[in-house]
Amino acid sequence: ETGVTQTPRHLVMGMTNKKSLKCEQHLGHNAMYWYKQSAKKPLELMFVYSLEERVENNSVPSRFSPECPNSSHLFLHLHTLQPEDSALYLCASSSGTSGLADTQYFGPGTRLTVL
Amino acid sequence: LAKTTQPISMDSYEGQEVNITCSHNNIATNDYITWYQQFPSQGPRFIIQGYKTKVTNEVASLFIPADRKSSTLSLPRVSLSDTAVYYCLVVSYGGATNKLIFGTGTLLAVQP
Repeated sequence: ETGVTQTPRHLVMGMTNKKSLKCEQHLGHNAMYWYKQSAKKPLELMFVYSLEERVENNSVPSRFSPECPNSSHLFLHLHTLQPEDSALYLCASSSGTSGLADTQYFGPGTRLTVL
Repeated sequence: LAKTTQPISMDSYEGQEVNITCSHNNIATNDYITWYQQFPSQGPRFIIQGYKTKVTNEVASLFIPADRKSSTLSLPRVSLSDTAVYYCLVVSYGGATNKLIFGTGTLLAVQP
């Protein structure tokens, strides 16, 4: 148990569906991250939020839409996905304390399958 | 960000000490060396972090030579449950967030 929870743990959706992934951290952190891990590929950083403000978007297609309503919650809204978007989506958080070695704590991930 | 290079896979037996070496020739002055562990279908878990010389915690040791161009993660007396992918990362700090660039990692397979 890392203090970062993700729901759902598994999701199957069609290409025309709209769904959302939820992440919640119970660590009092100020920074939150979305990563994508496809089969046999390294983790890819998608989005970074600091104090609810998006500070990085790594050229992610617009069919992925993040939302950070407060420092404890992070969402990833999905619409019109493609089969190649099937992957493990991981959320992480860090304290966000500037200038210090800042460990990221990962959630268990959501296994997404797009049919 | 400094690129890291580590072996794709390693095999070991229970009870042995395992050393995984990572090279990071372009490491910058402000960079730290960080190791994460990932089990299948789970998120990565922080193991250890260091800047220079030696760092030890209850899980592992990290050895960093004076030039900091490489580092070695040492796992004492591994067990079957240590079978996982181990990632070596070079991390720059200084802002409110930090950017982790994961490579392919080293798949450690521990056999009985």
